[in-house]
Amino acid sequence: AQSVTQLDSHVSVSEGTPVLLRCNYSSSYSPSLFWYVQHPNKGLQLLLKYTSAATLVKGINGFEAEFKKSETSFHLTKPSAHMSDAAEYFCVVSYSGGYQKVTFGIGTKLQVIP
Amino acid sequence: EAQVTQNPRYLITVTGKKLTVTCSQNMNHEYMSWYRQDPGLGLRQIYYSMNVEVTDKGDVPEGYKVSRKEKRNFPLILESPSPNQTSLYFCASSMRDRGGGYTFGSGTRLTVV
Repeated sequence: AQSVTQLDSHVSVSEGTPVLLRCNYSSSYSPSLFWYVQHPNKGLQLLLKYTSAATLVKGINGFEAEFKKSETSFHLTKPSAHMSDAAEYFCVVSYSGGYQKVTFGIGTKLQVIP
Repeated sequence: EAQVTQNPRYLITVTGKKLTVTCSQNMNHEYMSWYRQDPGLGLRQIYYSMNVEVTDKGDVPEGYKVSRKEKRNFPLILESPSPNQTSLYFCASSMRDRGGGYTFGSGTRLTVV
């Protein structure tokens, strides 16, 4: 069984300050982990992915995430928030081994205050 | 351009009137999936397909059907829609391996009255 928990449903930051969106997962197998972003009235776009290579993963638009197996976490960070980062972010865990099981978190809405 | 195309983008229908939402991808992806997105519930998987003629239920399959007769197409069928199927629907595809992230369609907003 696998699950993913996004620890904050809403996060509010000021423009230019750091962003931290928290995600914990559980999986019976070695997982692949992803972060997606959804801007209002848009589809989801892949930000970054972890697939058992480097534990620090860099994505698009200055985002990065660190896979910490001991803490079963995959938190998303960005050093300096921009107004265009305001969106909803989804943490996703997947397992591919004969079948493909993908589980989404319920999302974190990021508000960026000017 | 690599993409997943869903149609229609918006649909209002009445209870019980059969409808189909189409999904097509041009990336030769083996894996395709349908999700519904509802406030406070995130994305929940309806059905998925590992390849042509191979489909399986996701977490919320009741009231939906799918087919995968060709690799590129994965239509979602609501035989008798009900108001609780009012939702935002997304089709997604990926390569069938651990490294593949999804490519999502732009979504279909369905309202059943």
